[in-house]
Amino acid sequence: EPEVTQTPSHQVTQMGQEVILRCVPISNHLYFYWYRQILGQKVEFLVSFYNNEISEKSEIFDDQFSVERPDGSNFTLKIRSTKLEDSAMYFCASSYSGRPDNEQFFGPGTRLTVL
Amino acid sequence: AQKVTQAQTEISVVEKEDVTLDCVYETRDTTYYLFWYKQPPSGELVFLIRRNSFDEQNEISGRYSWNFQKSTSSFNFTITASQVVDSAVYFCALNTGGFKTIFGAGTRLFVKA
Repeated sequence: EPEVTQTPSHQVTQMGQEVILRCVPISNHLYFYWYRQILGQKVEFLVSFYNNEISEKSEIFDDQFSVERPDGSNFTLKIRSTKLEDSAMYFCASSYSGRPDNEQFFGPGTRLTVL
Repeated sequence: AQKVTQAQTEISVVEKEDVTLDCVYETRDTTYYLFWYKQPPSGELVFLIRRNSFDEQNEISGRYSWNFQKSTSSFNFTITASQVVDSAVYFCALNTGGFKTIFGAGTRLFVKA
């Protein structure tokens, strides 16, 4: 069964450094998403991406964040100048359609630890 | 504003007990979609069910059942004859037609043998 994959599973970085989190969505999916879950808290929407541009973003997704689909398979989240409060689990998701009743398939997550 | 409230932070049951996880949502939209996800200790998010606002039929899938009541803005989830493998955090979520899905705070379910 096709699945969303994410690398690395755990990333440790120093405050102020830049990190890139990588995702490989399901191959025929067209819509891509990033969500964040601070430890023990709710899952929060960050951004959605379609046709090489951002389709929607939350208040959390400020200039510190950017997304990119650098090739036909990867979907990346870049966090510049990381802060302690960026420590969280980051989930990538993809869906075939952008309709809200279309299931978003989630990856296993990348745990980011900022020291 | 849209909001999802899961008032139960943690629930602990003994195996074979039935358990209901509550979810109350807020939205002014007439078209919306509700979801339940399971997050086992391994951390991934597992989709369980989707329900749209026009379909108030309850649903049963094996030991899982869902009760959607628009009159009380609730979408509750019941596990019948719980098992240890059901131990997880369960999230209720809402989408009102955009790309953004809003999650509740989650309910941590412990099922003891």
